[in-house]
Amino acid sequence: GNSVTQMEGPVTLSEEAFLTINCTYTATGYPSLFWYVQYPGEGLQLLLKATKADDKGSNKGFEATYRKETTSFHLEKGSVQVSDSAVYFCALRVGNRDDKIIFGKGTRLHILP
Amino acid sequence: DAGVIQSPRHEVTEMGQEVTLRCKPISGHDYLFWYRQTMMQGLELLVYFNNKAVMDDSGMPKDRFSAKMPNASFSTLKIQPSEPRDSAVYFCASSYSIDNSPLHFGNGTRLTVT
Repeated sequence: GNSVTQMEGPVTLSEEAFLTINCTYTATGYPSLFWYVQYPGEGLQLLLKATKADDKGSNKGFEATYRKETTSFHLEKGSVQVSDSAVYFCALRVGNRDDKIIFGKGTRLHILP
Repeated sequence: DAGVIQSPRHEVTEMGQEVTLRCKPISGHDYLFWYRQTMMQGLELLVYFNNKAVMDDSGMPKDRFSAKMPNASFSTLKIQPSEPRDSAVYFCASSYSIDNSPLHFGNGTRLTVT
C-alpha cells in the first residue's frame, strides 16, 4: 500500500541554521508529493509540491526535490527563522481510484532566537 | 475566496450528547475530506466524498459517527453519543479532482467531551 515516513520530532534549531526534514514514501503508481505546514491553532496549509520525478517544489525559502530513485522528498531551508516554528507534514497522492491523500505523522520544528 | 469554513471553532459537550460539526468547502471543489487530529494518533482520515458520494469511510467508527453531504456546498459530521475519547481537533478539507491537486484545510473544530 501507499505510505509516507518522515523523521520524528521535535527538531530544535537556532535561527539561521540549515534545516532538513527527511521524508520517504512507498507508492503504487506515480504519486504527486506535497509538504504541508501547520501553525498553532490553524489547519494545514500547502507549502510546496512536486508532481513528477526530478521536479523541485519551492516556496518561502523551502525546497524539496522529488527523487524517484531513493523514493524521497526531503524538505530543506538554508536559513530558518523563528516564524518557521510549526509542524510539517509530508504527503502523497496517487490518484486513480485510491485518490485519498496519505500524510506522514508530522515533524514539529522549534526555532530558537 | 473565503477558503474552507468550519463551525463551530470550539465545542465542549458532556459524554452521551450529540455533536454536529459543519463544513463549507471551497466552491467548485468536488472532493471533501474529514480528518481527526490528536497528539497520540496524529492526523487520521475519517471519511471522504467525491461529488457528494462517500468514497471511503473505513476510518470512521460507524457505530457512533455519521457523515453526510446533502449538497455540494455543505457537509456534516455527527457523533452520537459522544465519548471522552472523541476529544480531538476535527478538520475538513476540500480539493479539485485527483492527482496533483492539493487539499485546502479549514481551521478545524476543537471538540472536548467531558
